[in-house]
Amino acid sequence: QITLKESGPTLVKPTQTLTLTCTFAGFSLSTNGVGVGWIRQPPGLALEWLALIYWDDDKRYSPSLESRLTITKDTSKNQVVLTMTNMDPEDTATYSCAHAPDYYGAYFDYWGQGILVTVSS
Amino acid sequence: SSELTQDPAVSVALGQTVRITCQGDSLRNYYASWYQQKPGQAPILVIYAKNNRPSGIPDRFSGSRSGNTASLTITGAQAADEADYYCTSRDSSGNHPVFGGGTKLTVL
Repeated sequence: QITLKESGPTLVKPTQTLTLTCTFAGFSLSTNGVGVGWIRQPPGLALEWLALIYWDDDKRYSPSLESRLTITKDTSKNQVVLTMTNMDPEDTATYSCAHAPDYYGAYFDYWGQGILVTVSS
Repeated sequence: SSELTQDPAVSVALGQTVRITCQGDSLRNYYASWYQQKPGQAPILVIYAKNNRPSGIPDRFSGSRSGNTASLTITGAQAADEADYYCTSRDSSGNHPVFGGGTKLTVL
């Protein structure tokens, strides 16, 4: 059974750096073709894809946020970490990590419950 | 703005068939996948890679594509299908995923 869970701060100040950890179980990020992605959703708004890391350490970023994002993995700990610099109130959103089963697909079949991050002074 | 365009809202009478569409140039080359999201819940994958349903998804959900438009069809909509629906595919460069803006489905 695949599960994912996000952890990190729920409140950050403007200009600070956000660090979120996705801890997963039920699959290995060393398996060919597998990836873990991050997606966010501001309150009442649409889903927005942020970043994705694959089993071979191939990393992809949203072009509009690439300069602010870093995604890394620790295969031994079954964790993926996302950092986002220079946080702004407009970055207030629920941040979710998800399992990508297919390198050639563009979908996520298992999602974490998400963590609501509020950016406020 | 998203590279994938969806109608903001669609309604359907209980038991009838509804089609939710997603338009984008990348859909000429890549298949769409679809998520259902209910308030306060994580998205659920309902269709992936052209027209595949994950385990547990009812067969009233189906996917199709024509030109630059992908469609999610619900045949015999149920009250439980009332939710937001998001399409996803690759961007026009093919390098990464992109989501549509979502469609709010109301079952009357």
